[in-house]
Amino acid sequence: DADVTQTPRNRITKTGKRIMLECSQTKGHDRMYWYRQDPGLGLQLIYYSFDVKDINKGEISDGYSVSRQAQAKFSLSLESAIPNQTALYFCATSDARTSTGELFFGEGSRLTVL
Amino acid sequence: KQEVTQIPAALSVPEGENLVLNCSFTDSAIYNLQWFRQDPGKGLTSLLLIQSSQREQTSGRLNASLDKSSGRSTLYIAASQPGDSATYLCAVRPTGANSKLTFGKGITLSVRP
Repeated sequence: DADVTQTPRNRITKTGKRIMLECSQTKGHDRMYWYRQDPGLGLQLIYYSFDVKDINKGEISDGYSVSRQAQAKFSLSLESAIPNQTALYFCATSDARTSTGELFFGEGSRLTVL
Repeated sequence: KQEVTQIPAALSVPEGENLVLNCSFTDSAIYNLQWFRQDPGKGLTSLLLIQSSQREQTSGRLNASLDKSSGRSTLYIAASQPGDSATYLCAVRPTGANSKLTFGKGITLSVRP
């Protein structure tokens, strides 16, 4: 089983719908991140959380919200999806106890907004 | 603002060739640099991480080097195989507490049998 699991892996929705992407991890890491990847733009940080009570905006947080339900779970919500939010979304984790901050990624959630 | 560049965007080589993938960054005040591999439609897999105090890291046929003063890192792949075909991304973590990674756009490598 994957250490960082994202659900759903693929989702097609319509403009205006509310969407939630979920991430769970078994690595015991305290830090979790949401990125989006667009062709030609690379990865951009949406939100990150250093622990359950610490949530921070990334580069492109507008139109998104997050919830850290537990140390192992971090969900990303699109309150009212729009077509330019069509992208590949990744959850990642890192361990604050290590000095490197090495990131570990989930398999991604492909979202299409029609 | 840190900028990370990977050129070329795509590369095609015959099997067996030794190759170098380049990554350049604009701010030399980095904490570490990480190389990832991404297969189509998949997540990113960490390949190598080089701390700012290190010059290189090796894992199997992969060797990553870091030259902070020139703002460059290279990923060397020895004896390339078709299974190495993927997109390779580098990401730079600046110095400073809780700093965030800046990613390059990646190099898509195709190794021809």
